[in-house]
Amino acid sequence: QKEVEQNSGPLSVPEGAIASLNCTYSDRGSQSFFWYRQYSGKSPELIMFIYSNGDKEDGRFTAQLNKASQYVSLLIRDSQPSDSATYLCAVILTTGNQFYFGTGTSLTVIP
Amino acid sequence: DTEVTQTPKHLVMGMTNKKSLKCEQHMGHRAMYWYKQKAKKPPELMFVYSYEKLSINESVPSRFSPECPNSSLLNLHLHALQPEDSALYLCASSQEALSKPLHFGNGTRLTVT
Repeated sequence: QKEVEQNSGPLSVPEGAIASLNCTYSDRGSQSFFWYRQYSGKSPELIMFIYSNGDKEDGRFTAQLNKASQYVSLLIRDSQPSDSATYLCAVILTTGNQFYFGTGTSLTVIP
Repeated sequence: DTEVTQTPKHLVMGMTNKKSLKCEQHMGHRAMYWYKQKAKKPPELMFVYSYEKLSINESVPSRFSPECPNSSLLNLHLHALQPEDSALYLCASSQEALSKPLHFGNGTRLTVT
């Protein structure tokens, strides 16, 4: 099992819909979780971070964390074409002592 | 605009060249990182500096040599690279090592010919 797993997609949603991106991780002791957005040819940009179980909202973005099930998700409401990018999930694992990135999910928002 | 500045944006070098990548941050962060990213792959950790000391070296070949002259600067010295080293090299910083979000620079696109 990989340390951090994401569905690579591509995920396509129509403009205005909710995009749901999921990530699972292997280390039950992990405490810190991050979502990054990366446009093609650009560097990753921090979207959200979450440390506690439950939901955390920031504008159109909601991060959800369930430590018992070892998954973290990102919801994007009212999706816009400008949201089209690769979304990377990152977890600080207690084993290995570093940030582990998932392989990313490619999202396309169709106008 | 990012608060982590990387230079140059693009670099083309031959296999016998010596070059350096530079990174600067003025956010007061105490940890700085070098990542390598190939196309359609996630960033891959190379080095971590915490309080100006090298704390993690992910078994990177010696042709890559990091340097942290002070808490704001991070360099990556390159020598005798191979074509497979062509990639996007990302610098990042965080308030503390391995406990706070990473903030990435815009990256240096390196091509080795």
